[in-house]
Amino acid sequence: GAGVSQSPRYKVAKRGQDVALRCDPISGHVSLFWYQQALGQGPEFLTYFQNEAQLDKSGLPSDRFFAERPEGSVSTLKIQRTQQEDSAVYLCASSSREGSNEQFFGPGTRLTVL
Amino acid sequence: GENVEQHPSTLSVQEGDSAVIKCTYSDSASNYFPWYKQELGKGPQLIIDIRSNVGEKKDQRIAVTLNKTAKHFSLHITETQPEDSAVYFCAPPRGFNDYKLSFGAGTTVTVRA
Repeated sequence: GAGVSQSPRYKVAKRGQDVALRCDPISGHVSLFWYQQALGQGPEFLTYFQNEAQLDKSGLPSDRFFAERPEGSVSTLKIQRTQQEDSAVYLCASSSREGSNEQFFGPGTRLTVL
Repeated sequence: GENVEQHPSTLSVQEGDSAVIKCTYSDSASNYFPWYKQELGKGPQLIIDIRSNVGEKKDQRIAVTLNKTAKHFSLHITETQPEDSAVYFCAPPRGFNDYKLSFGAGTTVTVRA
């Protein structure tokens, strides 16, 4: 079927606003990952879900970042009280196996905080 | 990413020539070595990967070679075409069978027509 999809593709927020970024993984993929990619750099790991369980959130930069995957399919990354340093591309990836490092990425959401 | 270095950071080649990018990592427990291609405005696309029990893998015009002793692996693109222009990342995981990919800083490849 289709690959990983993300929405919105672009988001502009004023400093202090809350944002929610959505990820639709490849159908049937049990593992889901979020990465943050700053301009001109490689992606950095944020968090990992196996089905609905968030098994690793060690990469989340602050407690303003929150991710969920309540039904083990779609995931949402929420950022509260956005700051300028949150400006980046947020990438979602999924994998067919538990804890797999063979990951397939979506197009990303470019977040700009003014 | 942590202790992952890519060289060169930029590479310009004439169409039809070969391109080679090298990735050096530090964790000797790493056992999976992928290369991703990222075009402007798109997410990274897995183009080739290799496991630590294999020294080389080839898929049409691209190949990956692994030197576990020296802790580096390389991407080779032969007969380059303009559509090969992109940013390429190596992304070895942080440890054995770890799911956390540790991306290099990227190599911008430009293929001149």
